[in-house]
Amino acid sequence: DSGVTQTPKHLITATGQRVTLRCSPRSGDLSVYWYQQSLDQGLQFLIQYYNGEERAKGNILERFSAQQFPDLHSELNLSSLELGDSALYFCASSVGVANTQYFGPGTRLTVL
Amino acid sequence: QKEVEQDPGPLSVPEGAIVSLNCTYSNSAFQYFMWYRQYSRKGPELLMYTYSSGNKEDGRFTAQVDKSSKYISLFIRDSQPSDSATYLCAINYGGATNKLIFGTGTLLAVQP
Repeated sequence: DSGVTQTPKHLITATGQRVTLRCSPRSGDLSVYWYQQSLDQGLQFLIQYYNGEERAKGNILERFSAQQFPDLHSELNLSSLELGDSALYFCASSVGVANTQYFGPGTRLTVL
Repeated sequence: QKEVEQDPGPLSVPEGAIVSLNCTYSNSAFQYFMWYRQYSRKGPELLMYTYSSGNKEDGRFTAQVDKSSKYISLFIRDSQPSDSATYLCAINYGGATNKLIFGTGTLLAVQP
């Protein structure tokens, strides 16, 4: 158990819908990262937050957005969902901006 | 050219064998090198973390980095069925941008 928690574990929804994935980092960690893992693209970095501020962006679609709240938990919002958005979404956390990242168990999103 | 290349396998070995997993990377600016283990449908788990050329050992695992060749390896000695998983190499530039760039992963099966 890495100490990073993610909810929900599974999510099944329809195309065009919007969902919110939630992540609680390890106690004391200020950085939160979101990754997407799909069969064809592998594990891809989406976005990083540090102490509430956006720090780095990767290949995140405009339909996706994220935020980190004052209690340091983070949410990833996915809207106008497409079949191709079906994937595992992982959250990771680290103490600072350049430290070892620990991954949560992931949320499996299925878009029908 | 992908930033990180990894042989996807699958790799099947008998219990007790020495396993060698490898990645190559393209950008000499990368400074930090990691190996993660991922069991089916679980979050990646950090195995090894290194930032310099040479070897780093932790129990049955040895991580090797050759910056001159842009080549990283993970060796598993006395492999066990419980080592059966996907192994992902990951690299990053360090500093303010801490996004991890992952290889595609190598699926390993250790046969009892």
